[in-house]
Amino acid sequence: DAGVTQSPTHLIKTRGQQVTLRCSPKSGHDTVSWYQQALGQGPQFIFQYYEEEERQRGNFPDRFSGHQFPNYSSELNVNALLLGDSALYLCASSFGQGPDQPQHFGDGTRLSIL
Amino acid sequence: GESVGLHLPTLSVQEGDNSIINCAYSNSASDYFIWYKQESGKGPQFIIDIRSNMDKRQGQRVTVLLNKTVKHLSLQIAATQPGDSAVYFCAEGDPNGDYKLSFGAGTTVTVRA
Repeated sequence: DAGVTQSPTHLIKTRGQQVTLRCSPKSGHDTVSWYQQALGQGPQFIFQYYEEEERQRGNFPDRFSGHQFPNYSSELNVNALLLGDSALYLCASSFGQGPDQPQHFGDGTRLSIL
Repeated sequence: GESVGLHLPTLSVQEGDNSIINCAYSNSASDYFIWYKQESGKGPQFIIDIRSNMDKRQGQRVTVLLNKTVKHLSLQIAATQPGDSAVYFCAEGDPNGDYKLSFGAGTTVTVRA
């Protein structure tokens, strides 16, 4: 049973570019959440997708957008990259949105902005 | 001993001893809490969760205690092993926010042989 898988594992971009990160949820999960983790800090919630719609959003600018596909996989897009966007981007999946359904994380995409 | 509301960013533990990791949460509306373990180069790994209608929950070698009065929870690891060395995060879920998770700052646990 595959867990949450993310691609690519590492990525290097320059300021102003755009990036797309991908996530496949754990088998049986239908909800995908994205988090940004800066070095030495806890993950910060970006947004959550359920039934192909953005259901919740954290304190991130509109440069951050996403999509969920009918097979529950998801993409995170970031436009006009800034140096401060350098971080580990984590995808987490769960079944539904309520409690008692813990979110399971992938190993993330390490994004470096030059 | 354990200090309510005190979060230590690092914890050094002798192998075989018990570990206690503390976490203070901020949102009194949160009613779901999770502990994650994150090893270097990996994503957070689920350890144990607890609902606010419980004070204590036990798993394999781990126990989570929840004190809603002072908004504090702790993770106890019995007989700490070298493989327990990692960063530990507590996270809270807000029912008013579809249970999106808010993470604490993390505690780095180092197990001494």
